[in-house]
Amino acid sequence: ILNVEQSPQSLHVQEGDSTNFTCSFPSSNFYALHWYRWETAKSPEALFVMTLNGDEKKKGRISATLNTKEGYSYLYIKGSQPEDSATYLCALNYGGSQGNLIFGKGTKLSVKP
Amino acid sequence: DAGITQSPRYKITETGRQVTLMCHQTWSHSYMFWYRQDLGHGLRLIYYSAAADITDKGEVPDGYVVSRSKTENFPLTLESATRSQTSVYFCASSDFGGSDTQYFGPGTRLTVL
Repeated sequence: ILNVEQSPQSLHVQEGDSTNFTCSFPSSNFYALHWYRWETAKSPEALFVMTLNGDEKKKGRISATLNTKEGYSYLYIKGSQPEDSATYLCALNYGGSQGNLIFGKGTKLSVKP
Repeated sequence: DAGITQSPRYKITETGRQVTLMCHQTWSHSYMFWYRQDLGHGLRLIYYSAAADITDKGEVPDGYVVSRSKTENFPLTLESATRSQTSVYFCASSDFGGSDTQYFGPGTRLTVL
């Protein structure tokens, strides 16, 4: 089973701070990388799907980059707001057209007002 | 309602009983998935299905049975529930495999006494 590692495990920031966290994966097996946002008591919601080395995606204040050669992706949040508090999950598809994902354990972000 | 639904949302059962968790999606997505969420493990794939009558094991399939006679339904059965199967179960669907976004249901919280 391939390992998808996320760091840090948790993060506490003040409102207005910018922050970033990392997803690491074996670079030799890669098809697509997904980022999800998961609020407490809700279900995960998709943020980005990234497939190409050097991909950069942006949605509002959240952006992500992908380096498939070295096996990592960064998620950035600019000017964190309390509503950004959630667990951010990274998931790797290693099976080509097969749909199954391997999820990391997530980074839990808490933004204090 | 459009989307992906799960039932029941909460279930308490006893060790040894058979339990079926239901998942229904209205998008006619080809792929459907069952995950369980446990502290310290994140989301782990139990079973997935690429189309009606096609299912495959994920990371933690033991003790579970699935079927997919219709594209829109993907029930998960615990044949003889054990305490270790106490968890939150999420169903998800996607149109294609690999690089396609997965859409998650609201989850079923199962407690096995």
